[in-house]
Amino acid sequence: GQSLEQPSEVTAVEGAIVQINCTYQTSGFYGLSWYQQHDGGAPTFLSYNGLDGLEETGRFSSFLSRSDSYGYLLLQELQMKDSASYFCAVRATGGFKTIFGAGTRLFVKA
Amino acid sequence: EAGVTQFPSHSVIEKGQTVTLRCDPISGHDNLYWYRRVMGKEIKFLLHFVKESKQDESGMPNNRFLAERTGGTYSTLKVQPAELEDSGVYFCASSHGHNSPLHFGNGTRLTVT
Repeated sequence: GQSLEQPSEVTAVEGAIVQINCTYQTSGFYGLSWYQQHDGGAPTFLSYNGLDGLEETGRFSSFLSRSDSYGYLLLQELQMKDSASYFCAVRATGGFKTIFGAGTRLFVKA
Repeated sequence: EAGVTQFPSHSVIEKGQTVTLRCDPISGHDNLYWYRRVMGKEIKFLLHFVKESKQDESGMPNNRFLAERTGGTYSTLKVQPAELEDSGVYFCASSHGHNSPLHFGNGTRLTVT
């Protein structure tokens, strides 16, 4: 089967750095994406890694290791508004669907 | 540009009733996807349209679910008859190309009682 594993919850303080890990098991692999969802809102695209290495977008960075079937999202200089759910997602071969994990709920404390 | 819009935002129906959810994708997006999230679990893929054609409907739970995208614009997802386990948030997403990021709507929260 196809699955993505990520922690269910992470808590951190304002100004800190937090890393959300994701491991995946899929039939084929076209890239790892990260989405952010605030309560009651729409998931919104944050980043994409098609190749190994680190991609940086402002305070957010995402890393991929295809040989380890592993990636992470790194959030720096945490702000209260970063409290949200974060989903890793993989586009697998055999079609164009994107498969999502169960999400990591991030709580940022003052 | 206008985002993906979904209607209704909430729906509460009784077991055995019928509900139709609507999704208007971003204009010009050929790819339209339906997903469902049951509380605390993954955002589960249901199906994928390219224009008006069903590209992949491998995630549809059973034949009580019917999705259409007539004319390749908006899409509807009908559940008939609804069962308790159909409760969840139904998300629609669209993308320009199949390699492009997904743009999601705010979802329809369906509660079957």
